[in-house]
Amino acid sequence: SQQGEEDPQALSIQEGENATMNCSYKTSINNLQWYRQNSGRGLVHLILIRSNEREKHSGRLRVTLDTSKKSSSLLITASRAADTASYFCATVGGSARQLTFGSGTQLTVLP
Amino acid sequence: GAVVSQHPSWVICKSGTSVKIECRSLDFQATTMFWYRQFPKQSLMLMATSNEGSKATYEQGVEKDKFLINHASLTLSTLTVTSAHPEDSSFYICSATWGGGNTEAFFGQGTRLTVV
Repeated sequence: SQQGEEDPQALSIQEGENATMNCSYKTSINNLQWYRQNSGRGLVHLILIRSNEREKHSGRLRVTLDTSKKSSSLLITASRAADTASYFCATVGGSARQLTFGSGTQLTVLP
Repeated sequence: GAVVSQHPSWVICKSGTSVKIECRSLDFQATTMFWYRQFPKQSLMLMATSNEGSKATYEQGVEKDKFLINHASLTLSTLTVTSAHPEDSSFYICSATWGGGNTEAFFGQGTRLTVV
């Protein structure tokens, strides 16, 4: 079963605005990862944040992790139409190596 | 990043036939490969985890005789959907990793299976 939930389920913004997506999970984790999926395609890894990290940046992406609240957020700054995609958080916990995916957020960036 | 190639990208087959999907890691040795299934507008559901040279570990509710997984080498895993039926129509995605849980996974392009 899915580990967690993401909100919002869908987000529509104008180009240039920032987009924030949230992810909550249920059990302890080793790390949390964010992925992007264009319609009908495979997933592309965006960023990995370990359980002992609180914030991480990569280009226009900023990820936060709050293990006490079992939540993470992904911020995309200065969004572009090409950022339109589904975004998934995924967790890795315990001795497992498999990813458990959240429900995803469909982001639409309007030109 | 590392490249994982999944083939075919789409396939249409008749009910009752079997379909094989290949997942190859092109530039690294994948100690573990994962197979996921995704329904439209939904998240990825893990079907099974396969380690090279050993039997795959299937998630609860996934029929191992229906979805045969073979991971014969460090660069190739295959998923065979046996005696496919229309309800097996879905998007199947593989991923591969070489390390433990703190390494990213690399995903194939996915295979759209339609059973008619």
